[in-house]
Amino acid sequence: NAGVMQNPRHLVRRRGQEARLRCSPMKGHSHVYWYRQLPEEGLKFMVYLQKENIIDESGMPKERFSAEFPKEGPSILRIQQVVRGDSAAYFCASSPGVNYEQYFGPGTRLTVT
Amino acid sequence: ELKVEQNPLFLSMQEGKNYTIYCNYSTTSDRLYWYRQDPGKSLESLFVLLSNGAVKQEGRLMASLDTKARLSTLHITAAVHDLSATYFCAAGGGYGGSQGNLIFGKGTKLSVKP
Repeated sequence: NAGVMQNPRHLVRRRGQEARLRCSPMKGHSHVYWYRQLPEEGLKFMVYLQKENIIDESGMPKERFSAEFPKEGPSILRIQQVVRGDSAAYFCASSPGVNYEQYFGPGTRLTVT
Repeated sequence: ELKVEQNPLFLSMQEGKNYTIYCNYSTTSDRLYWYRQDPGKSLESLFVLLSNGAVKQEGRLMASLDTKARLSTLHITAAVHDLSATYFCAAGGGYGGSQGNLIFGKGTKLSVKP
């Protein structure tokens, strides 16, 4: 049973470009969570999704960031017009239901130049 | 709003010594997790603590939960170099927020020296 998969593992973008981060949850998991980790910091919750629904986006910046989890395919975290402050590691986690243990993917390390 | 505080943030230990990392959380939470992260890597789940008085042990690590004190501890026994990593606690299910997301502490960077 494959774990949570994220791609790309490393992403370099110039300021103003768009970044698309993908997350495929573990088989049988329909709940996906995105977290951001700044250097030397803990993880900060961004958004929680179930298939085709955003359940909680209280941790998402109001502008430039969006997330989706379509009926088919991976969950996508999209960052428009990236700025240097967006440079971070973005982790996706999945679970089979709310309040179940979350399993983390390997992360996408975004660098904005 | 649920907040999680860990201390110490940095810990330098000698091999063979014992130490404890503390994790306090601010409001009621029904789930407490401990994770390990190696540099540049993802999070590895160590322990899941779901009830007051829960104690779990794996090798040289032991975690406990006191929900009344809103405190979890991660105890390291006879540390070895391989335990060098950053350890995070995370709480979830707190009131005033989503039942889904986890709130993380800032992490304890552990360095075990010979």
